[in-house]
Formats: sequence, C-alpha cells, structure tokens
Amino acid sequence: QVQLVESGGGVVQPGVSLRLSCAASGFTFSSHGMHWVRQAPGKGLEWVAFIRHDGNEIYYAGSVKGRFIISRDISKNTLYLQMSSLRPEDTALYYCAKDFGSQYISYFDYWGQGTLVTVSS
Amino acid sequence: QSVLTQPPSVSAAPGQKVTISCSGSSSNIGNYYVSWYQHLPGTAPKLLIYDHDKRPSGIPDRFSGSKSGTSATLGITGLQTGDEADYYCGTWDNILSAWVFGGGTTLTVL
Repeated sequence: QVQLVESGGGVVQPGVSLRLSCAASGFTFSSHGMHWVRQAPGKGLEWVAFIRHDGNEIYYAGSVKGRFIISRDISKNTLYLQMSSLRPEDTALYYCAKDFGSQYISYFDYWGQGTLVTVSS
Repeated sequence: QSVLTQPPSVSAAPGQKVTISCSGSSSNIGNYYVSWYQHLPGTAPKLLIYDHDKRPSGIPDRFSGSKSGTSATLGITGLQTGDEADYYCGTWDNILSAWVFGGGTTLTVL
C-alpha cells in the first residue's frame, strides 16, 4: 500500500534553513507528481509546492516562492522541501502528498501524516 | 483569503443531508477539475471526490460532488457522527499558476 512518511521538522529560529523529507513507498515514485501542503495552527490547508514526475516542472505558492525549493531523488524514492529564510508564519504541519497524475496537477490521492515545523525565537 | 470561497461551518442532524459549496471563478473552477478532501486536524487528509463528481474506491456513495459554472458542491447524505471533520475543495488556478484550496468548512453532526 502507498505510504508517505515525512521527517525533518523541528523548532527553529527565524531566518534559518530546514530540509524536510518524505519517504515514499508502495507505488512507482518516478511516475507521479508530488506536492507539499501545510496547515498552520488554526488555519486551513495551504498548498506549498509541486514537482512533476521527472522533476522538469515545478510550481510554488507565492508565499514561499524564492525561499523554498522542492526536489526529488528517484533513486531514494524521496521528496524534499528545502526551506530557507524561515519566518514565524511558516509554522505549520507540513504534509507530503502524491498526485494521481504524472505531468500535470490532477488531485491528491494519498497524503502523509505530516511533520511539524515551528519557527520561533 | 482564499480564491475559493467555502462557508466556515455547516451542521445537520444524524441521518440528514448537508451540502458544502465552493465558489470560484473562470480562472479556477470554471475551467479545471475540482476535488474534495476530508480532514481531521493533525491527521492525513483523505480524498473524497475527484474530477468534480467521481469517488475513489472505498468512499461510500453517501458522498457526492457536482459542478455548475464556477461553483462546486459536496453533498453528504445519511450523516453520521464520524463525518464530523473539516472539508476542503481544491483546484488549479491559471492566473496564480498555483493549486488553491478553499478556506475549509467544518461539519458538525448535531
């Protein structure tokens, strides 16, 4: 069965960097687009970033563009989110999600349990 | 403020029916497929409806979706206490070049 396991969250100070990982199993990782989605405390779901199955097309939410980088390692079946210049408003539970499709965003058919990032001085 | 507008909350009695609306525009719902997600905070969200009105395997037919123009609707019949959760619509927006979620609707089964 499909499994997505996020890791790398923690408590960090504003301005620093952090890298999240998502270990994928139970499906052909190289054949599907992948996303990061977050939920700040008391807020709704916010889409963060998408990477196409081959890594050749990437999209970001305006709130993270220029600060976050999504990437994937096919050999390790792992999705990453490199977060830089972190701000208190980046505090959230970060979910990794699998896209049903490969080249275009279609919908999120499987989600991980999330990893918590807290940005605070 | 999301580009997709959902009511903050809805409620109904067990066994009743409820609908949750998702209002957008031609840059999103009007031209792209809508999907719906059920979420209990702190847990993995679950896909309920994709491509406006299709249910993944394992989702009971109590859940339905529809789209008309630039709005979409999630319907839930035969409400159960286990349906209490937050519900989100989502779709692509070609002006933002981004996926967008609605603000979410909290369902209470009284």
